Amino acid sequence: GQQLNQSPQSMFIQEGEDVSMNCTSSSIFNTWLWYKQDPGEGPVLLIALYKAGELTSNGRLTAQFGITRKDSFLNISASIPSDVGIYFCAGQGRSGTYKYIFGTGTRLKVLA
Amino acid sequence: SAVISQKPSRDICQRGTSLTIQCQVDSQVTMMFWYRQQPGQSLTLIATANQGSEATYESGFVIDKFPISRPNLTFSTLTVSNMSPEDSSIYLCSVDGTSLPVQETQYFGPGTRLLVL
Repeated sequence: GQQLNQSPQSMFIQEGEDVSMNCTSSSIFNTWLWYKQDPGEGPVLLIALYKAGELTSNGRLTAQFGITRKDSFLNISASIPSDVGIYFCAGQGRSGTYKYIFGTGTRLKVLA
Repeated sequence: SAVISQKPSRDICQRGTSLTIQCQVDSQVTMMFWYRQQPGQSLTLIATANQGSEATYESGFVIDKFPISRPNLTFSTLTVSNMSPEDSSIYLCSVDGTSLPVQETQYFGPGTRLLVL
């Protein structure tokens, strides 16, 4: 099925560094969600975005809904070892359908 | 957010058999969804489980292979029928987080890890 493109696909960073990842689509989305999935667990919702240009923070995480509505960005500041995991974006094209398309994922590995 | 549990958490099955996965939510929800996550891959929506009516399946998924029940607003089951090794995946239940006012989100259960031999 259709997927959103996430980049980078994977990344190694040093503890304390900031991390940026993005999600892009050829289609317009009305809602963007960002999830983190730890090994052996289901995805956990980190941030939800509902308006173009919206910037929302959750602790060290900040996400933005792109102005074009075709992309979204997630930043993690001062990374720590527990930030390790796979980060997924998810976009909803039509409000009210509750159907989300998931990104390909960014695998983050933090070196202590 | 809703608390979602799934049973079993994992299973190893023989090809040709069927497995039914249960999803229980601690509050009534309108929409429940079933996803598949193949090894190392992203999530793909299988179907939307509708209370009181047949599930709505996405392209590439059919009721005969993935029958779904939704007997009430807190429970759903997904059966993986006539399994083959290609069905080895994580199966995830999710629910909509909408409450008044409308804000659309989705919350996931812990997943069921299925290995078909």
